[in-house]
Amino acid sequence: QQQVKQSPQSLIVQKGGISIINCAYENTAFDYFPWYQQFPGKGPALLIAIRPDVSEKKEGRFTISFNKSAKQFSLHIMDSQPGDSATYFCAAYDQTGANNLFFGTGTRLTVIP
Amino acid sequence: DAGVIQSPRHEVTEMGQEVTLRCKPISGHNSLFWYRQTMMRGLELLIYFNNNVPIDDSGMPEDRFSAKMPNASFSTLKIQPSEPRDSAVYFCASTLRGQYEQYFGPGTRLTVT
Repeated sequence: QQQVKQSPQSLIVQKGGISIINCAYENTAFDYFPWYQQFPGKGPALLIAIRPDVSEKKEGRFTISFNKSAKQFSLHIMDSQPGDSATYFCAAYDQTGANNLFFGTGTRLTVIP
Repeated sequence: DAGVIQSPRHEVTEMGQEVTLRCKPISGHNSLFWYRQTMMRGLELLIYFNNNVPIDDSGMPEDRFSAKMPNASFSTLKIQPSEPRDSAVYFCASTLRGQYEQYFGPGTRLTVT
């Protein structure tokens, strides 16, 4: 059972465009929502994260939007660059339960020049 | 900081052979996770340890898989006997228990022919 659902599976965006990746969850005990970025041949690395008590977090060109009532969150990449081409995973963490992250299935982003 | 170290980086073996993957977590981290990544199933948690003790191995696919953590600086994931469907990239990650960010190693690409 997939605890965190992620879409789309793949995304192609032109340079300068906005990339949007969506995730949804059911478990209201989740209290931390990170996004990981993975380049080919590398392990995933933390990109940006948000707690459910805020609706938005921005770091440079990367923004997480969080909708607690809908149990959805999304990653927006503004002014997308070819160097942003990677696989992006959303995840959720439950501090009161198991000490592990539940990952989405990943989105392969390709930014074309 | 050397980061999480995994070896080997690539492993090609024949069906039926024993395979051992190795991981050295970041010094001071007390939680260690083994993941498997495939195109079909994405990033799956296999097992994780807190303070060298296995906490949740429900993700281990079957009895052919076993993992150990004899001390705080070393863990192994063993597959015996290996099968072609075990072909995947295996990641090790570590963190301080209670902290959200997991640090991933570079992965071991396993090919079973």
